[in-house]
Amino acid sequence: QTVVTQEPSLTVSPGGTVTLTCASSTGAVTSGYYPNWFQQKPGQAPRALIYSTSNKHSWTPARFSGSLLGGKAALTLSGVQPEDEAEYYCLLYYGGAQLNWVFGGGTKLTVL
Amino acid sequence: EVQLVQSGAEVKKPGESLKISCKGSGYSFTSYWIGWVRQMPGKGLEWMGIIYPGDSDTRYSPSFQGQVTISADKSISTAYLQWSSLKASDTAMYYCVRLFDYWGQGTLVTVSS
Repeated sequence: QTVVTQEPSLTVSPGGTVTLTCASSTGAVTSGYYPNWFQQKPGQAPRALIYSTSNKHSWTPARFSGSLLGGKAALTLSGVQPEDEAEYYCLLYYGGAQLNWVFGGGTKLTVL
Repeated sequence: EVQLVQSGAEVKKPGESLKISCKGSGYSFTSYWIGWVRQMPGKGLEWMGIIYPGDSDTRYSPSFQGQVTISADKSISTAYLQWSSLKASDTAMYYCVRLFDYWGQGTLVTVSS
């Protein structure tokens, strides 16, 4: 069974920079996994931030960026704001007959 | 404005059937895949499956194959997620998502005797 692994929790100071990563149990994450990143705040539906590794949606703040880093997908927040405190999920595409996608377990980001 | 509006919260007993809905508006409903995502209480997101309303091509995550049925009625721009026999472990929030930008508000399903 495919497992997608994220840091369970990270803490960052306001104005700081933090990188969240997303690893696959099958090996290095490449652009062919079409990494997506989502933000979810308590009591809210998830919100899309990044698609296909590094593309931003029209509503994604400029301080969010996506990349590939050391065989993992990465989400970097630069100039973190208090409102960025949330759970962040990555999603990877594994294809196959079922066009299968797998979410990571999520990273709880605390801004302190 | 693109919107996905889901049906309201449900409280059901084990063994009962259920069908929840997700109505799309503000875009060509038949041209985008719609996915369903489960979130159990206090847990992360789980991919359930997807449907292409244009031709009803449907794919399921191996974890959910045989456990749920995904369908769509393109005439009313609505996708569905259904269970034939609910279990207590189906208690969760269920989200629909247009791959991969717009999300529905979620439907809370509670299964309890």
